[in-house]
Amino acid sequence: AQSVTQPDIHITVSEGASLELRCNYSYGATPYLFWYVQSPGQGLQLLLKYFSGDTLVQGIKGFEAEFKRSQSSFNLRKPSVHWSDAAEYFCAVAPPTSYDKVIFGPGTSLSVIP
Amino acid sequence: DTGVSQNPRHKITKRGQNVTFRCDPISEHNRLYWYRQTLGQGPEFLTYFQNEAQLEKSRLLSDRFSAERPKGSFSTLEIQRTEQGDSAMYLCASGRTEEAFFGQGTRLTVV
Repeated sequence: AQSVTQPDIHITVSEGASLELRCNYSYGATPYLFWYVQSPGQGLQLLLKYFSGDTLVQGIKGFEAEFKRSQSSFNLRKPSVHWSDAAEYFCAVAPPTSYDKVIFGPGTSLSVIP
Repeated sequence: DTGVSQNPRHKITKRGQNVTFRCDPISEHNRLYWYRQTLGQGPEFLTYFQNEAQLEKSRLLSDRFSAERPKGSFSTLEIQRTEQGDSAMYLCASGRTEEAFFGQGTRLTVV
C-alpha cells in the first residue's frame, strides 16, 4: 500500500538559516509528489509538485524540492528561512494514473526563532 | 474572495445529532474533494466529485457519512448520529487540474 513518511515531527530553525524537510514514500511506481503548507487559520496551500522531468523542482515562496528515485525521497529545501515560514508542512503522493486521490504524510511542524 | 468557502467554520454538537457542512468551490472547478484532518495528522481522503458525480469514496466514509454535489457546484457533507470519534477538521478542496485549492475547513467537536 502506498504511504508517506515524514521522519521529523517538529523542527526549529533560526531565521536566515537553511531548511530541509524530509519526505519518503512507498509506492510501486513513481507517484505524483506534492508539498503543501498549512499556516495557522489558513487553508492548505500547494508549494510545489513533481510529475516527471527535471528532478529539482522550484516552487513558490523560495522553496525547492528534489526527487531522488533511488531513495524514494522528495525533500523540501529553502536556503534562508523567514519567520513567516513557521507552519505545518505536508508531503503528499498520488498515483501516477490519477492525481485525485492524494495521500498526505503526517506533517512536520516548523518553528522559526529570531 | 474567490477561494474555497466552507460553512460553518466551527460546529459543536451533541453525540447522536446529525450535522451538515457546506463547501462552495472556486467557480468553474469541476473537481471537488472532502478530507478529514485530526490533530497532529495529515488530511485523510474521504471522497471526490467530478462535476455532480461522486467518483470515489474512502472506506473511512462509513454509512453515517454522505456527500452530495447536486448541480456540480456546491457540496454538502452530512454526518448522521455523530460520535465523539467524528471530532475533526473537515476540509474541502476544489480544482481543475492537478492542483487542489483548499478551504479553511469546518472544525467539528462532538460532546
